Amino acid sequence: DIVMTQSPDSLAVSLGERATINCKSSQSVLYSSNNKNYLDWYQQKPGQPPKLLIYWASSRESGVPDRFSASGSGTDFTLTISSLQAEDVAVYYCQQYYSTPYTFGQGTKLEIK
Amino acid sequence: EVQLVESGGGLVQPGGSLRLSCAASGFTFSYYSMNWVRQAPGKGLEWISYISSGSNTIYYADSVKDRFTISRDNAKNSLYLQMNSLRVEDTAVYYCARLAYRGDFDYWGQGTLVTVSS
Repeated sequence: DIVMTQSPDSLAVSLGERATINCKSSQSVLYSSNNKNYLDWYQQKPGQPPKLLIYWASSRESGVPDRFSASGSGTDFTLTISSLQAEDVAVYYCQQYYSTPYTFGQGTKLEIK
Repeated sequence: EVQLVESGGGLVQPGGSLRLSCAASGFTFSYYSMNWVRQAPGKGLEWISYISSGSNTIYYADSVKDRFTISRDNAKNSLYLQMNSLRVEDTAVYYCARLAYRGDFDYWGQGTLVTVSS
């Protein structure tokens, strides 16, 4: 199984500041046939289901604000919120869909400082 | 508008059974593979099962293999999860999620709570 490890577990950032979350996979999730990383990012607010933010490691889902960006390849990935807004308080998860069992990171709780 | 609505959760004793349903609307259900994902109270997300659009391919997490059965009825636009031999550690909110053609989970239901307790 591919193990996904996020860092940090929690993060407090001031409004308007940058937030960065890291995700590392135990093996590469880069699919060589199409050069796509099978890694996505979800945002989950309390009492709500997860919401897809990013797919293929760096492609923003339709409707997601452009302050959310992501990068990385192979085994190391990053989600960045360029200017934190109050509505961004949530838990963020990375997930690999390269192979089953599809696995999630443990989550990073983002709060306002 | 894509909608996924889970139902069937509730309180069940250890060793008992429960059948969850997920009603899909707003898209051609038979074209998409589907998944079940669960979240224990205060914990992270755990993928538990996948079924292809035509039910030809099915996968399970080791934690539920041989106890849970995923199925679907494309004529009824519905996804199911039959859960047997339930354990206390199966207590969680269960979500159904659509698998996008890209491979990510692009739509999720609101979830249904399953509580396994004596």
